[in-house]
Amino acid sequence: GAVVSQHPSWVICKSGTSVKIECRSLDFQATTMFWYRQFPKQSLMLMATSNEGSKATYEQGVEKDKFLINHASLTLSTLTVTSAHPEDSSFYICSARDGDSEVDEQFFGPGTRLTVL
Amino acid sequence: GQNIDQPTEMTATEGAIVQINCTYQTSGFNGLFWYQQHAGEAPTFLSYNVLDGLEEKGRFSSFLSRSKGYSYLLLKELQMKDSASYLCAAMDSNYQLIWGAGTKLIIKP
Repeated sequence: GAVVSQHPSWVICKSGTSVKIECRSLDFQATTMFWYRQFPKQSLMLMATSNEGSKATYEQGVEKDKFLINHASLTLSTLTVTSAHPEDSSFYICSARDGDSEVDEQFFGPGTRLTVL
Repeated sequence: GQNIDQPTEMTATEGAIVQINCTYQTSGFNGLFWYQQHAGEAPTFLSYNVLDGLEEKGRFSSFLSRSKGYSYLLLKELQMKDSASYLCAAMDSNYQLIWGAGTKLIIKP
């Protein structure tokens, strides 16, 4: 199956700093990438949908100025958590849709665990 | 509104069979997905159904009834490694995935 990588796997930062998370599709072109957040023992929560070359579409309640998304190429999308606070501590997961696949499944990256002190 | 319902937790015995049910309500429908998620890891794809009926893939099978808004995931010959959360997700008319909260499956020896 298609492979999606995420970097870093985990990060610990001080409150007020910014953190950038990269999501890459390694063996396919992803016209659409998705960013999710998952708190402990809860389901995935879609934060935003990112299409290559255009602005991301944010879900209701997600601050676009706080969670900056850039999808500059067909294989890379980045999520920057600006001025992170302890309540932003979560498991952030990206997924990518293979536009050439017959099935509209999403391939998930391994996730990034963010801890804000 | 759009909604996915699945049980919070289930327990089964190693070697047995377990069925995880999922009901959905979405604006339009473009398929039903099942994902497996081990603790601390990202979800991995298990199955996709868009037509009514049963899809079998090894020890795992998935069933869909579009008229009833219902799906189930059937796991046979359970192994300890099958202990995980199983996420049901329906794709709406905008090709967005609507996620259930997941069913935590506990396998006992």
